[in-house]
Amino acid sequence: IVVTQEPSLSVSPGGTVTLTCALRAGPISSTFYTGWYQQTPGQPPRTLIYDTHTRASGVPDRFSGSLVGDRAALTIAGAQAEDECDYYCIIYVGSGFWVFGGGTTLTV
Amino acid sequence: QVVLVQSGAEVKRPGSSVKVSCMASGGIVSYSSFSWVRQAPGRGFEWMGRVYLTGGESYAPDFQGRITITADKSAGVSYMELRSLTSEDMAVYYCAGDRRFGSTSGSFFVDTWGRGTFISVSS
Repeated sequence: IVVTQEPSLSVSPGGTVTLTCALRAGPISSTFYTGWYQQTPGQPPRTLIYDTHTRASGVPDRFSGSLVGDRAALTIAGAQAEDECDYYCIIYVGSGFWVFGGGTTLTV
Repeated sequence: QVVLVQSGAEVKRPGSSVKVSCMASGGIVSYSSFSWVRQAPGRGFEWMGRVYLTGGESYAPDFQGRITITADKSAGVSYMELRSLTSEDMAVYYCAGDRRFGSTSGSFFVDTWGRGTFISVSS
């Protein structure tokens, strides 16, 4: 099972960027319960989004999760310098088993 | 606020086993499960498995047969044991406390992350 993300993306400060998460075997739907995590260097991950679109506690509303076509997406609206880090998606593939995407390095 | 305190870094020999602990402290623990993921140096995350506090475990196929994840709900502790270590197992191992948002088998999310435990494997 291969889950792919853009290896790197860039966005201007204040701009909007969409990161995507794709499943090689087929479309991602709401039943994959996609999650999104943020990681800055040397730190543990931080949960941003779960169940495709639900923001975790304390996450700014500039982060939003959705489905776009066959993919899950994380949109950052009004990007800030502190958003420059790595982002990972995770999807549920059944039988209690989850798979991470390869991660996206975002440059602001 | 509950924090997850993991055991310290270890150096292991190839072929040996490691057992990492993860203790919830600082409040009432109401997790539904504990998950374990790892991150090799400079790499992405790899989901390893989950222990459900109502009973049962799920393991990623790549680890099936050489991983055991357990939990003591009353003590708020989870353990991850990985056997037959190779150099490919050198990584930071993270535990996570999960909560449920629904009743289906996939309706879990990570509420709290541990700080990670670095396991080095070298002869």
